[in-house]
Amino acid sequence: DGGITQSPKYLFRKEGQNVTLSCEQNLNHDAMYWYRQDPGQGLRLIYYSQIVNDFQKGDIAEGYSVSREKKESFPLTVTSAQKNPTAFYLCASSLQPGRANYGYTFGSGTRLTVV
Amino acid sequence: DQQVKQNSPSLSVQEGRISILNCDYTNSMFDYFLWYKKYPAEGPTFLISISSIKDKNEDGRFTVFLNKSAKHLSLHIVPSQPGDSAVYFCAASGAGGTSYGKLTFGQGTILTVHP
Repeated sequence: DGGITQSPKYLFRKEGQNVTLSCEQNLNHDAMYWYRQDPGQGLRLIYYSQIVNDFQKGDIAEGYSVSREKKESFPLTVTSAQKNPTAFYLCASSLQPGRANYGYTFGSGTRLTVV
Repeated sequence: DQQVKQNSPSLSVQEGRISILNCDYTNSMFDYFLWYKKYPAEGPTFLISISSIKDKNEDGRFTVFLNKSAKHLSLHIVPSQPGDSAVYFCAASGAGGTSYGKLTFGQGTILTVHP
């Protein structure tokens, strides 16, 4: 079955550490996205990529980095520069870049907690 | 700057009655609107969408209404069922400008349907 796989489901990070969240899709989608969910704030866009080896900052990119070396993979690194990283992180993909009306397919999310 | 707003954080409805979830937007470049449903610790799943050339779209128990002049859309669920209890996100995308190719989400509304 095609879909998006996010791992791990739960992740704990110590202060000052970088952590990387994995996102893999086998839908042959060109575009991929990272969102963050906080209570009362909905989903906010961190980074997105419309094609391999290219990505763009979203609304809240500070303290995060991404790479898109393969079409199937879009890992997100939460760096120590991110001041409030505890959140639920969602990865998504869409068939065609630039036309979000094809809808997004979301992964099941990663809950990151700073300890 | 919240371009998509869901002003009701929560809604409680009796089983069998109608649920109405509301969403307002400010960006006149938005031309496609979507509703997603999300259960805790899971990714959102697509529910229904509407293009700006229409004012109504229906899919089974779910109907979305769009009022472009008021920049307002609503999701009607009738009859409501306990399994509809979830967080509902309104999202919008645009054909151009900074909204091109990206979904902008509202804050979400928690719907609870009581048996």
